[in-house]
Amino acid sequence: QLQLQESGPGLAKPSETLSLTCTVSGGSISSGSYYWAWIRQPPGKGLEWIGSIYYGGSTYYNPSFKSRVTISEDTSENHLSLKLTSVTAADTAVYYCAGGVTNWGLGTLVTVSS
Amino acid sequence: EIVMTQSPVTLSVSPGERVTLSCRASQSVSSNLAWYQQKPGQAPRLLISGASTRATGIPARFSGSGSGTEFTLTISSLQSEDFAVYYCHQYTNWWTFGQGTKVDIK
Repeated sequence: QLQLQESGPGLAKPSETLSLTCTVSGGSISSGSYYWAWIRQPPGKGLEWIGSIYYGGSTYYNPSFKSRVTISEDTSENHLSLKLTSVTAADTAVYYCAGGVTNWGLGTLVTVSS
Repeated sequence: EIVMTQSPVTLSVSPGERVTLSCRASQSVSSNLAWYQQKPGQAPRLLISGASTRATGIPARFSGSGSGTEFTLTISSLQSEDFAVYYCHQYTNWWTFGQGTKVDIK
């Protein structure tokens, strides 16, 4: 069964770059079986799609993030990465990675604070 | 961007009651619609995909229907463990989520 686990610093300073990793087990990210996504949820609020990456590396981003976001894949390590630049307090959220609609990680909380 | 609108925002119900949650898309999403359940401190749990297909291990009291722009999640007899927030999610044109419906105890 596909399992996903997010990891990264739990704290980021304003204006810095947030970097997270999603480690995938139970399947290969290069199998083409899933499209991979990052989603976030600010405390007490709803879910927001950040972007997706497809087999071969094609990426699609939520326009709300403009040019701040980069999603990439490392097929040798079987993990995905999320980079979000110029963070502010509004980027404080639980960040989830997902493989299709079926498989979600448990999420990781990132707090943006000086 | 496809906007997903859920109603009601909050629903107060008693255990054993039948519950119907609605989700409307601003344009057709065909049957590319999922429903999730989320409890405090937990990740969303997939209930339904393809508008009406229950995910593995999901009890039969959960059912989904609809296509195009109008969708419904029905819980036939609400159990105590079903008090949670429910989100709809379209995946036909990138991804967008509804704002959620909180089902709480009456």
